[in-house]
Amino acid sequence: TQLLEQSPQFLSIQEGENLTVYCNSSSVFSSLQWYRQEPGEGPVLLVTVVTGGEVKKLKRLTFQFGDARKDSSLHITAAQPGDTGLYLCAGAPRGSTLGRLYFGRGTQLTVWP
Amino acid sequence: DAGVIQSPRHEVTEMGQEVTLRCKPISGHDYLFWYRQTMMRGLELLIYFNNNVPIDDSGMPEDRFSAKMPNASFSTLKIQPSEPRDSAVYFCASSTTKFDRASSNQPQHFGDGTRLSIL
Repeated sequence: TQLLEQSPQFLSIQEGENLTVYCNSSSVFSSLQWYRQEPGEGPVLLVTVVTGGEVKKLKRLTFQFGDARKDSSLHITAAQPGDTGLYLCAGAPRGSTLGRLYFGRGTQLTVWP
Repeated sequence: DAGVIQSPRHEVTEMGQEVTLRCKPISGHDYLFWYRQTMMRGLELLIYFNNNVPIDDSGMPEDRFSAKMPNASFSTLKIQPSEPRDSAVYFCASSTTKFDRASSNQPQHFGDGTRLSIL
């Protein structure tokens, strides 16, 4: 079983649509990170959310950390083909081994022109 | 600034052969991670090092896998003998806690991976 469950696993939409992807856990996290991975490349960090209830915006991307610090969401407004990629959430639950991150399996997003 | 550098980018070899993957972390980073990514399992942590010392190798699938970090600027992941089920993309990542001891907040910087195919 995955510590972080991401949904949906796959998402295929048209340019201009809005979407939300989710990252859920039964564990409490001190922070959660979101990465985007493009074909042939490694994941790249988009944002880190630290405080329960925190909302961070990165252009058309809005990230939210749940009040209980067990879940997070990523909302994309007016999606563009350049948003296509694998979106991964990652974090370290309280009490876990120092230094390591646990990754979800990701949401594969495809935005068609 | 140079990112994490992995070599080779692609490796195709026959089963039974020894495979060595290489990684140069970002200078000054004190954590180094080896991951394997497949469609079925996603991104799996194999092993990670802190200050060149292995901290957790519980993700290493079998004794056929070994990893070393002889110094702060180099690490290898070796598979001997290789099997077709080892085919995957292998990533190396590094991070640092030098600016914030809350290491869980620190981003991991990934290389572009090695795509390994065992025939």
